[in-house]
Amino acid sequence: SYVLTQPPSVSVAPGQTATLPCGGDNIGRKSVHWYQHKPGQAPVLAVYNDNDRHSGIPDRFSGSNSGNTAILTISRVEAGDEADYYCQVWDRDSDPPYVFGTGTKVTVL
Amino acid sequence: QVQLEQSGAELKKPGASVRVSCKASGYSFNDFYLHWVRQAPGQGLEYLGWINPNTGDTGFPQKFRGRVTMTRDTSIKTVYLELSRLRYDDSATYYCARDRQTVEIIPAALLDSWGQGSQVTVSS
Repeated sequence: SYVLTQPPSVSVAPGQTATLPCGGDNIGRKSVHWYQHKPGQAPVLAVYNDNDRHSGIPDRFSGSNSGNTAILTISRVEAGDEADYYCQVWDRDSDPPYVFGTGTKVTVL
Repeated sequence: QVQLEQSGAELKKPGASVRVSCKASGYSFNDFYLHWVRQAPGQGLEYLGWINPNTGDTGFPQKFRGRVTMTRDTSIKTVYLELSRLRYDDSATYYCARDRQTVEIIPAALLDSWGQGSQVTVSS
């Protein structure tokens, strides 16, 4: 089963840049999607297919994917960016084939 | 705009069954897969399965086979998740979500719209 590893937490000051890694075996060969999940709300698709922003997502959010690590970058972090972030891929050999990462909680200091 | 409206909170005893509904609007119901994902308290997202609203075909992980049923009623653009033989660790918020992928090819679980969630609590 394919495993996606994310750090449990990342802290960042307002206006700074948050870098959220998502590690997986040769993840660079897969398309990675990222979801933002705020407490008490439904998750929101933020970035898909490695680096495409979903509608309504500010251009402060960007993604990259290479080798064994995909990265979600949040530039000029705002208080409203505080949330859990999950990466996700499709892996044909996993059950289910839709694999979520363990999630990273972003705290804005 | 795409909207997914889910049913309300449920309190069930261990061993019972629960059914959660998800009513779609704002798009062509038959054209996009719908998926179910849950989140237990303090845990991450867990994938439960998908349904093709056009054909009724479903798919879900081996872990849930025998306990999960997914159905749809196209006349009211609603899909249902039923989970049987409930256990304490089934307590979670259950979400339906629309796949950006249309039903002409296999599901991608690129989940571009989500319902508000339905809380299911299993307690004696």
